[in-house]
Amino acid sequence: QKEVEQNSGPLSVPEGAIASLNCTYSDRGSQSFFWYRQYSGKSPELIMSIYSNGDKEDGRFTAQLNKASQYVSLLIRDSQPSDSATYLCALERLGGSARQLTFGSGTQLTVLP
Amino acid sequence: ETGVTQSPTHLIKTRGQQVTLRCSSQSGHNTVSWYQQALGQGPQFIFQYYREEENGRGNFPPRFSGLQFPNYSSELNVNALELDDSALYLCASSSSRGPETQYFGPGTRLLVL
Repeated sequence: QKEVEQNSGPLSVPEGAIASLNCTYSDRGSQSFFWYRQYSGKSPELIMSIYSNGDKEDGRFTAQLNKASQYVSLLIRDSQPSDSATYLCALERLGGSARQLTFGSGTQLTVLP
Repeated sequence: ETGVTQSPTHLIKTRGQQVTLRCSSQSGHNTVSWYQQALGQGPQFIFQYYREEENGRGNFPPRFSGLQFPNYSSELNVNALELDDSALYLCASSSSRGPETQYFGPGTRLLVL
């Protein structure tokens, strides 16, 4: 079982719709969770971080974390064509000396005009 | 723009050669992590440097080595290049004093022929 699992997609949504991206993880010791957006040929760009159970909203983005179910999601409201990218879920485990990120393989999102 | 810079942007090498990649961290950040991202995959943690010392390493062989300098910039060295080393190499900087969010540089795309 991979440490971080994401549906690879592609996920297609029409412009203006809500895009829902999901991620499950296996390590219950994971403490911090991140969503990165990566455009083709570019490096990952941080969108959201979430540390506690519940929802965290930032503009059109909402991250949801459920540690009991080992599940983290990202909702994008009013999706725009510029949101078309690969979305990477990452977690960080506390303990040890290095604070390393463990990534999923990403979900490719296409927003259709 | 994260303020993290990397050089070169692209590089072509042949199998068996050695390569050095460079990274300058964001102002105020004293921790640098290196990741390898193969095509279609999420980034994989190589190692992290803090105060010029390696303080964590992922599942990469010893031919992957690094340095951090007093100004917190860093180098990644790869010896005896293999075809599978072809990937996007990402540097991420973070601050040990604040939120542990890691910010990525633009990456170096390495092709090994």
